[in-house]
Amino acid sequence: QQPVQSPQAVILREGEDAVINCSSSKALYSVHWYRQKHGEAPVFLMILLKGGEQKGHEKISASFNEKKQQSSLYLTASQLSYSGTYFCGTETSGSRLTFGEGTQLTVNP
Amino acid sequence: NAGVTQTPKFRVLKTGQSMTLLCAQDMNHEYMYWYRQDPGMGLRLIHYSVGEGTTAKGEVPDGYNVSRLKKQNFLLGLESAAPSQTSVYFCASSKTETQYFGPGTRLLVL
Repeated sequence: QQPVQSPQAVILREGEDAVINCSSSKALYSVHWYRQKHGEAPVFLMILLKGGEQKGHEKISASFNEKKQQSSLYLTASQLSYSGTYFCGTETSGSRLTFGEGTQLTVNP
Repeated sequence: NAGVTQTPKFRVLKTGQSMTLLCAQDMNHEYMYWYRQDPGMGLRLIHYSVGEGTTAKGEVPDGYNVSRLKKQNFLLGLESAAPSQTSVYFCASSKTETQYFGPGTRLLVL
C-alpha cells in the first residue's frame, strides 16, 4: 500500500526550514528517502531501519516513529540545491519498496 | 563505472507496436527493478528481479514482460503498446537496500 506524503508541495526562501512527512497504515520495516530533480533520476538520500536511530545527511535529517508508522524528513537552512521532488519509500512485511506520490520542494532566493 | 544505463532515452510508438527497453548495470548488483513514473503518482513498480534468471511481478505488471538472462541486464518489453503506457520508465539496481536509478526512458504512445 502506497505511503502518504505531506505536504504535496512547499515553497521556501533560501535559509528556511521544512519538514516532509511520510505515513503508512501498515507496520514498517524501513523508510527510504530519495530526491529527484526535474528531468533526472531519483537519488538516494538515506534509509531508516526499524529500531534504528535518526539519520543525517548534511543539513538534511530524518526520523522514524515505528509506533505511528511515520517518518519525517527535516531540511534545515535550505539551499537552492535542495529544490526537487522528495519521495519516501516504505518496506513492509512481504512487500517490495513502495513509493509515495512525492513532495515538490521549491527553494527561492 | 557507468552505474545504471538505459536505452533508448526517448521513443515514440504507435498503438499496437512493440518495443524493448534495455537496462544495464555494471555494479554487480543482484536486484534489478523497472518502475514507471506518471505525474502525481510517484514511482510504481512494474517488475523486478532478485537474480539472474528470475523475475517477479510488481504493483503494475499488466501489459509488460521482462527478462533477466544476464546478471547485468534487465529487459522490459511491451508487446502491444497502448496510450496508457505513455510514461517515464526508470530502471534501478541494488545490492542491499539502496537503489540506484538509471536516467530514465521517456515513452510516448500515440
